[in-house]
Amino acid sequence: GEEVAQTPKHLVRGEGQKAKLYCAPIKGHSYVFWYQQVLKNEFKFLISFQNENVFDETGMPKERFSAKCLPNSPCSLEIQATKLEDSAVYFCASSQTGTGLGEKLFFGSGTQLSVL
Amino acid sequence: GENVEQHPSTLSVQEGDSAVIKCTYSDSASNYFPWYKQELGKRPQLIIDIRSNVGEKKDQRIAVTLNKTAKHFSLHITETQPEDSAVYFCAASKTGRRALTFGSGTRLQVQP
Repeated sequence: GEEVAQTPKHLVRGEGQKAKLYCAPIKGHSYVFWYQQVLKNEFKFLISFQNENVFDETGMPKERFSAKCLPNSPCSLEIQATKLEDSAVYFCASSQTGTGLGEKLFFGSGTQLSVL
Repeated sequence: GENVEQHPSTLSVQEGDSAVIKCTYSDSASNYFPWYKQELGKRPQLIIDIRSNVGEKKDQRIAVTLNKTAKHFSLHITETQPEDSAVYFCAASKTGRRALTFGSGTRLQVQP
């Protein structure tokens, strides 16, 4: 598609429950990025993929967070045993390969995760 | 890692005035500097970007300047309109890493 598609728009979980978020990148884009935005500011980088391979996971809290991008499936971000501080908007972004145009990140509309 | 600082955190201007938002970055290897506009409850939208081999770029009412030596870059919006009201984020990245490091955002309010 022409837009990064994220589902669901809203997700409510009780503390300790699992949360799974999905992202379909723009067709033809080979890089996918996940960001966490807390309180409408401070974008925190979590992880990036080049096709189905992890490209950079330096921001990922590995104890409870995991992510995958499998061929012919939406990418996913999963949080095991959610905590109150995981409440945030999770944005997915995608970009093309190469330099020049490849640096431009296009964002999805986000998933608002509320942990109660 | 890269650190991007952004100022001011809030900015209020009268319609028609200019607005300037400034960012500094720490990693001298950074070579790509986009600006995003985020309206309430919406996704960040790329409004302008600049690469390190260019000192200035303009697109209608918005312009970005880059000073590589001082490691800072600025967003300039002229003839502001109420629809410019939003949160603006600067960011930086470098070839190879690709992930953007964002500033903390500037809430711009344009008073009619």
